[in-house]
Amino acid sequence: DAGITQSPRHKVTETGTPVTLRCHQTENHRYMYWYRQDPGHGLRLIHYSYGVKDTDKGEVSDGYSVSRSKTEDFLLTLESATSSQTSVYFCASTGGPDNEQFFGPGTRLTVL
Amino acid sequence: GQQLNQSPQSMFIQEGEDVSMNCTSSSIFNTWLWYKQDPGEGPVLLIALYKAGELTSNGRLTAQFGITRKDSFLNISASIPSDVGIYFCAGHSKTSYDKVIFGPGTSLSVIP
Repeated sequence: DAGITQSPRHKVTETGTPVTLRCHQTENHRYMYWYRQDPGHGLRLIHYSYGVKDTDKGEVSDGYSVSRSKTEDFLLTLESATSSQTSVYFCASTGGPDNEQFFGPGTRLTVL
Repeated sequence: GQQLNQSPQSMFIQEGEDVSMNCTSSSIFNTWLWYKQDPGEGPVLLIALYKAGELTSNGRLTAQFGITRKDSFLNISASIPSDVGIYFCAGHSKTSYDKVIFGPGTSLSVIP
């Protein structure tokens, strides 16, 4: 399995506070993705990166920003968390867009 | 945005029974992927399909890429308790090569 980790694994925060989730991969994969998973919606793409400093929006990008300063790290930031952002967040990486995506273990975020 | 539909939404079956689930799209897909997610973990790729009409097996799992390129199905033969989980179809559409779109999932429960 690809070495992909997420931190923190669980977080509870209050509305209006900034939150940063970290994804770290050791496979030198070029592509990295952030998804959120909610009941009935499956996995929805928030943002993705196709290289260092190269990012693009997914289908649910509002309220989120990302940064990729190194190949191995992809950060997801909620500038001002809202209750609608309570979800489980998954990071994934792949060597190429046609290749298998390897997923991290997920981060459960609760915004009160 | 583009959507995938999966059916059934959930299934309860007896151990030993065969399972069939499918995935449909209103647009053409270039690849079809089937993932399984165990509780508390990230999805793991089961089968990848790259060509219309392709039929691929992985142990007790068989998946097919529909001829119209707008659907795919997954069969599980002789189900066992560890088959429990959520099964997601996913794929690359013709117009979004570098993004994987996920279906909402089929939840499978196996009764021993």
